[in-house]
Amino acid sequence: EVQLLESGGGLVQPGKSLRLSCVASGFNFDDYAMHWIRQAPGKGLEWVSGISWNSRDIDYGKSVRGRFVISRDNAKNSLFLQMNSLRVEDTAFYFCTRSAAFYFSDYWGQGVLVTVSS
Amino acid sequence: DIQMTQSPSSLSASVGDRVTITCRASRGINIFLAWYQQKPGKVPKIIISEASTLHSGVPSRFSGSGSGTDFTLTISSLQPEDAGTYFCQKYNTAPLTFGGGTKVEIK
Repeated sequence: EVQLLESGGGLVQPGKSLRLSCVASGFNFDDYAMHWIRQAPGKGLEWVSGISWNSRDIDYGKSVRGRFVISRDNAKNSLFLQMNSLRVEDTAFYFCTRSAAFYFSDYWGQGVLVTVSS
Repeated sequence: DIQMTQSPSSLSASVGDRVTITCRASRGINIFLAWYQQKPGKVPKIIISEASTLHSGVPSRFSGSGSGTDFTLTISSLQPEDAGTYFCQKYNTAPLTFGGGTKVEIK
């Protein structure tokens, strides 16, 4: 069974940093691209960042480019999102997702809440 | 970047009704379009990819069509369990932008 388990969320002040993690199980992690997708409470979905299986292809949404860094450790079946210079508008549930190549997300984690507030 | 525009933003329909949701891309994306269903309090679930390919376990009353810039998600006979919000997403190139969502309510 495919499982994606996010961690690292919480309350953080504007301008600070936070690192999210996602541990994958139930599939060959290094066969898949991975993504972070977020959803502000009561709002729509926003693609944040994606990384190819070998980390050669990485891209970011416009609103986080230059502040967030995605990475992965295939030996540990883990995906990360380093979030720097956090803003109030980064408050959202952050979902870790899996995709074949750099395509649609076929499995989603349950999400972790990041709240940016003073 | 390519923008994705969904319409309507919400709708209310009766059980058994035919429901149509549209998604328009600001530039052509071939058939690299997916549809997701998100029920209240739940994680989004993929229902259609490549504009018209139904995913495993998704009822056949769901269908998708379109290519290029204009896409449609149709529910042929709306059921109570179909209530939720539907999102389209382009995936031809990054950024993998989502549409704003369509909230479907049952009358």
